[in-house]
Amino acid sequence: DIQMTQSPASLSASLEEIVTITCQASQDIGNWLSWYQQKPGKSPQLLIYGATSLADGVPSRFSGSRSGTQYSLKISRLQVEDIGIYYCLQAYSAPPTFGAGTKLELK
Amino acid sequence: EVQLVESGGGLVKPGSSLKLSCVASGFTFSSYGMHWIRQAPKKGLEWIALIYYDSSNKYYADSVKGRFTISRDNSKNTLYLEMNSLRSEDTAMYYCAKGAGSPDYWGQGVMVTVSS
Repeated sequence: DIQMTQSPASLSASLEEIVTITCQASQDIGNWLSWYQQKPGKSPQLLIYGATSLADGVPSRFSGSRSGTQYSLKISRLQVEDIGIYYCLQAYSAPPTFGAGTKLELK
Repeated sequence: EVQLVESGGGLVKPGSSLKLSCVASGFTFSSYGMHWIRQAPKKGLEWIALIYYDSSNKYYADSVKGRFTISRDNSKNTLYLEMNSLRSEDTAMYYCAKGAGSPDYWGQGVMVTVSS
């Protein structure tokens, strides 16, 4: 199975700060990487698919990038509503595998 | 508007069976693969099963293989997860999600608690 190593596990940042979360794939997954945001008590919401494509309705301060087998989610100017847990997901091969999650809090 | 509504959860004893349903609306259900994904309390997301749009292929996580069965009825726009031989470690919120690649819509989830 493909392992997704996500870091950091938790992150405390200030409003308007730039935030970056990364996922390292254990093997090549091409662009089959998506990012999700989960707020407390809610189901996950798709932010980024295809490693770099912004999902419908997602603010443009969110962006995704890829360098080899390392994938990054960047929030350009952190807002209060961005607080939550972020997960990456690889869908290159079955079984799809999630990263362990990054808990993003306000400093 | 895409909607996915799960049902069928509850409190059951170890070794019991349960069948979850997910009714879809707002899109052509028969054209999309569908996932079941679960989340144990205070834990991360765990993918557990995928079914192609036409039921031609099904995939399972090792943790549920042989105990859980994913199926669908395209005439009823409904996805199912039949769960047998339930264990305490199956306690989780169960989500259905649309899209065989990167699931783009998720239901609100249904809670399954396995406890004696």
